[in-house]
Amino acid sequence: DIQMTQSPSSLSASVGDRVTITCRASQSISTYLNWYQQKPGKAPKFLIYAASSLQSGVPSRFSGSGSGTDFTLTINSLQPEDFATYYCQQSYSTPPWTFGQGTKVEIK
Amino acid sequence: EVQLVESGGGLVQPGGSLRLSCAASGFTFSNFWMTWVRQAPGKGLEWVANIKQDGSEKYYVDSVKGRFTISRDNAKNSLYLQMNSLRAEDTAVYYCVRDKNVNFDYWGQGTLVTVSS
Repeated sequence: DIQMTQSPSSLSASVGDRVTITCRASQSISTYLNWYQQKPGKAPKFLIYAASSLQSGVPSRFSGSGSGTDFTLTINSLQPEDFATYYCQQSYSTPPWTFGQGTKVEIK
Repeated sequence: EVQLVESGGGLVQPGGSLRLSCAASGFTFSNFWMTWVRQAPGKGLEWVANIKQDGSEKYYVDSVKGRFTISRDNAKNSLYLQMNSLRAEDTAVYYCVRDKNVNFDYWGQGTLVTVSS
């Protein structure tokens, strides 16, 4: 199975900051990498697919990059509604489809 | 508007069974793979199972193989998860998810399954 490792596990940031979250796969997954946002008590929300394509309706301050084993989610000018937990997920080849352990973005 | 509404969760004893249902609306259900994802209390997301549009292919995470069965009824726009031989470690919120090429683009609100004596 492909293991997904996110870093950091949590971070503190202020409104207006630029935030970067890293996701590393245990083997090359090309660009088969998605990102999700989850707020407390809510279902996850689909943000980015194919490593860098923004899902419809997602603000442009979110961006993704990377290929192979190393990926990044960047939030430019962090907004109050962006405080949440973010998960990466690989969709390469065959099941099981695995998620990273999550990165919690908290208010500084 | 895409809507996915789960039901059937609750408290069950270890070794017991439960059947989750998911009612889909707002899209052509029969055109999409469907997936169950779970989240244990305070933990991350875990893909559980998925099923092809016509039900001809099904996949499971190893920890539930032989105990859980995913199924669907396209005439009723419904997805199901039959869970047998439940264990404490199956305690989680179970989400019904639309699966667009393994991009989980729409999620239900989730249903809580608690396995405890």
